[in-house]
Amino acid sequence: QKEVEQDPGPLSVPEGAIVSLNCTYSNSAFQYFMWYRQYSRKGPELLMYTYSSGNKEDGRFTAQVDKSSKYISLFIRDSQPSDSATYLCAMFSGGYNKLIFGAGTRLAVHP
Amino acid sequence: GAVVSQHPSRVICKSGTSVKIECRSLDFQATTMFWYRQFPKQSLMLMATSNEGSKATYEQGVEKDKFLINHASLTLSTLTVTSAHPEDSSFYICSAARQGRNTEAFFGQGTRLTVV
Repeated sequence: QKEVEQDPGPLSVPEGAIVSLNCTYSNSAFQYFMWYRQYSRKGPELLMYTYSSGNKEDGRFTAQVDKSSKYISLFIRDSQPSDSATYLCAMFSGGYNKLIFGAGTRLAVHP
Repeated sequence: GAVVSQHPSRVICKSGTSVKIECRSLDFQATTMFWYRQFPKQSLMLMATSNEGSKATYEQGVEKDKFLINHASLTLSTLTVTSAHPEDSSFYICSAARQGRNTEAFFGQGTRLTVV
């Protein structure tokens, strides 16, 4: 079993839709959770960061962490064509010894 | 967010030669840096974790003698691909962890290596 599971998609939605991206994980030691956006041939860009359980909102993006279920989500409201990219969840433990990524979900927002 | 600079962005080299990739954290100190490899349409594969002043920890299946990592200072880590082969052609990305009240990881722009 992989430490982090993420549906690779692709996910295709119309402009304006609410997008839900999810990851599950198996290692209860993970404490820091991040979402990255990656455009083709570019390095990942940090979108959201959360520590432990809870919600965090930043503009059109909301990140949720449910440690009891080992489940994290990223919601994108009012999705735009410019949101089309691959979204990667990532997490690491308090020891900072590994930063583990999900497979990435390819998102396409069409006008 | 914090800035991590990776250089070069693209490199083409001949088989058998060595290539060095630099990763610098420009506005923070990074005690931990990560090196990843990414194949087309795939996720990032962690190659190794480097901590300033100590030997890197390599993931299973990654040859430490082929992929030399040096984390000489709190702002610089280097990855040297030695005796490069065409199968080493890939996208290499570094990440630097900024530790403090919150801990976040920021990425360099990536290096596209092509071995001919």
